[in-house]
Amino acid sequence: EADIYQTPRYLVIGTGKKITLECSQTMGHDKMYWYQQDPGMELHLIHYSYGVNSTEKGDLSSESTVSRIRTEHFPLTLESARPSHTSQYLCASSDRSGGTSGESSTDTQYFGPGTRLTVL
Amino acid sequence: KNQVEQSPQSLIILEGKNCTLQCNYTVSPFSNLRWYKQDTGRGPVSLTIMTFSENTKSNGRYTATLDADTKQSSLHITASQLSDSASYICVVSDRGSTLGRLYFGRGTQLTVWP
Repeated sequence: EADIYQTPRYLVIGTGKKITLECSQTMGHDKMYWYQQDPGMELHLIHYSYGVNSTEKGDLSSESTVSRIRTEHFPLTLESARPSHTSQYLCASSDRSGGTSGESSTDTQYFGPGTRLTVL
Repeated sequence: KNQVEQSPQSLIILEGKNCTLQCNYTVSPFSNLRWYKQDTGRGPVSLTIMTFSENTKSNGRYTATLDADTKQSSLHITASQLSDSASYICVVSDRGSTLGRLYFGRGTQLTVWP
C-alpha cells in the first residue's frame, strides 16, 4: 500500500468557489503528478513536478494551478470552480527504478485514492 | 499519433474462470508497459511492468505478456476471484524525455460474478 494521501475524497461545491485539493506523500518521492479522469475514460496528465519549486503543465489544458513548496506536498487549486471541472482528480508520485541521470527510467507511479469533485 | 487501445471495454466472468485482456499500442519510441488495477473509487495500483526485452512477467495470478514487434500486450488472470472485479489499465511509456511520458488506455472493466 502506497503512502500517498488525498483530501477530501469527495467534494460538492457551487460554481465560482475557490477550492484546493490536497495531496501528500511520505515516501520522499521527488516526482509528483496530477491526473484528471472522467468515468470510463483514460487518465489525463494536467500537472507534474520534478521537485520543490518545479511545476509544469501536462498534456491536458487545465484552469487549475499547483504549487510544490515542500517535497511531500503538491496541492491543486481552482480559483473559480465551474461545472466543467466536475471530474475525478488523482494524485501520484514516483520513485526512480533503474536508469541513470537524464535517461527515462522505469518509474513506478503510486496513486492516491483520488478526489471526486462535483461542481453544481 | 501515440495511442493505447484496450479490449474488451468490459468483461463479465464467473468466479474461478480465467480471462485475458488485450492492449495494443502505437507509442514510439517505446520504453516500458505497465498494467494497473483500479478498484472503483480508488487510485490505480501497479501490477506489472515490462521493458522492451521482457516478453512475460507474472505477479501471483496475473501474467502479462509483451510482443514489442507487434506492439501488443495481454494480461491473463487465472482462477479469478470476486476481488478481481476492477478496471485494468494498460499504460505505455515512451523514451522521448526524462519524464518518460505515459500514455493511458481507457481500461477494461472486469466483473467477476459468484
